[in-house]
Amino acid sequence: DAGVTQSPTHLIKTRGQQVTLRCSPKSGHDTVSWYQQALGQGPQFIFQYYEEEERQRGNFPDRFSGHQFPNYSSELNVNALLLGDSALYLCASSLRDGNREQFFGPGTRLTVL
Amino acid sequence: GQQLNQSPQSMFIQEGEDVSMNCTSSSIFNTWLWYKQDPGEGPVLLIALYKAGELTSNGRLTAQFGITRKDSFLNISASIPSDVGIYFCAGPWGGSSNTGKLIFGQGTTLQVKP
Repeated sequence: DAGVTQSPTHLIKTRGQQVTLRCSPKSGHDTVSWYQQALGQGPQFIFQYYEEEERQRGNFPDRFSGHQFPNYSSELNVNALLLGDSALYLCASSLRDGNREQFFGPGTRLTVL
Repeated sequence: GQQLNQSPQSMFIQEGEDVSMNCTSSSIFNTWLWYKQDPGEGPVLLIALYKAGELTSNGRLTAQFGITRKDSFLNISASIPSDVGIYFCAGPWGGSSNTGKLIFGQGTTLQVKP
């Protein structure tokens, strides 16, 4: 049973560039949530996708956008990168009609120079 | 805004000792989740709690859902070196709403001396 997978593992970008991160949910899950985790902090909720639509959003600017595909996989896009966007980006999958448990992937470490 | 407060921030203990940490909120929660995160990895779900007063174990780990629904506790018995990591509590934003947005505490960093 495959767990949550994310790609790439690491990424280095420069200010102003754009980045796309990818996530495949755990087998059988239909909901994907994205979190940003700065060094020394707990994860911060960015948004959640279900049925290919953004259902909930945290306190992040419009530079952060996403997409969910029919196979439930998801992408996180960040435009006009800032130094402060450097963080570990985590994807979590869950069942929309299940309990509130979310299972996390290994994350993508983004460094903005 | 809504937040979870974890304590202690860090712990440095001897192998074999028991560990206790807790998480408090200003609002009521209907779910408490405890995660462990190793350096460079994603959080791994340890225990999920759904009812006030619930006590759930996972091996040497035991977690409790506080009676007031505003706190939760995690205990680790007979710690071993692989218990090293950061422990996070989490709950659904809004406390009692069935939302997929989780909020996290700041984490408790555990170090175990062999």
